[in-house]
Amino acid sequence: EDQVTQSPEALRLQEGESSSLNCSYTVSGLRGLFWYRQDPGKGPEFLFTLYSAGEEKEKERLKATLTKKESFLHITAPKPEDSATYLCAVQAGGYQKVTFGTGTKLQVIP
Amino acid sequence: DAGVTQSPTHLIKTRGQQVTLRCSPISGHKSVSWYQQVLGQGPQFIFQYYEKEERGRGNFPDRFSARQFPNYSSELNVNALLLGDSALYLCASSQGGIFGELFFGEGSRLTVL
Repeated sequence: EDQVTQSPEALRLQEGESSSLNCSYTVSGLRGLFWYRQDPGKGPEFLFTLYSAGEEKEKERLKATLTKKESFLHITAPKPEDSATYLCAVQAGGYQKVTFGTGTKLQVIP
Repeated sequence: DAGVTQSPTHLIKTRGQQVTLRCSPISGHKSVSWYQQVLGQGPQFIFQYYEKEERGRGNFPDRFSARQFPNYSSELNVNALLLGDSALYLCASSQGGIFGELFFGEGSRLTVL
């Protein structure tokens, strides 16, 4: 069964203090790894798709990387508006079941 | 372009009742998936429909059912509600049926008393 583990569960940063979120996964036949951002009471917002080890994607202050066992979401010089829960998810198999981790709740303090 | 729309946004039911949740995908998207998100957890896969056919089902009891209409909108039905069914129900659409990024709606918050 596909498994996704995210750490830490919660992270509190000062504005401008860079850090990384970790996502480790166990899956047979990875088709893609996704990162989503979720604000309280809202649906997840798509950020990135990574397909193979060594791949990197960037968007503003966020950079996602992928190895054969883990993915990292690097946040450079975060701002308070980056505060949210960040979800990692994987897709494998022949249909569109996506398995999510429990997320990392990020709080950026001004 | 309009995103994924879901209705109702909030609803309260009592144990044993039935509920129907509705979803309209992004225009041009033919796949709709349903997820359940309990507070503090990640979304859990319930169903995927593509071209009006069920393509995948998660580990949920038969009380959960869904369908997709010719215009690609979808309904999720839950019968004989239990307290544990209280959750945020998310609908996601995508262009492809097998693989692709999911675009989520704001969800329907169900409370079962």
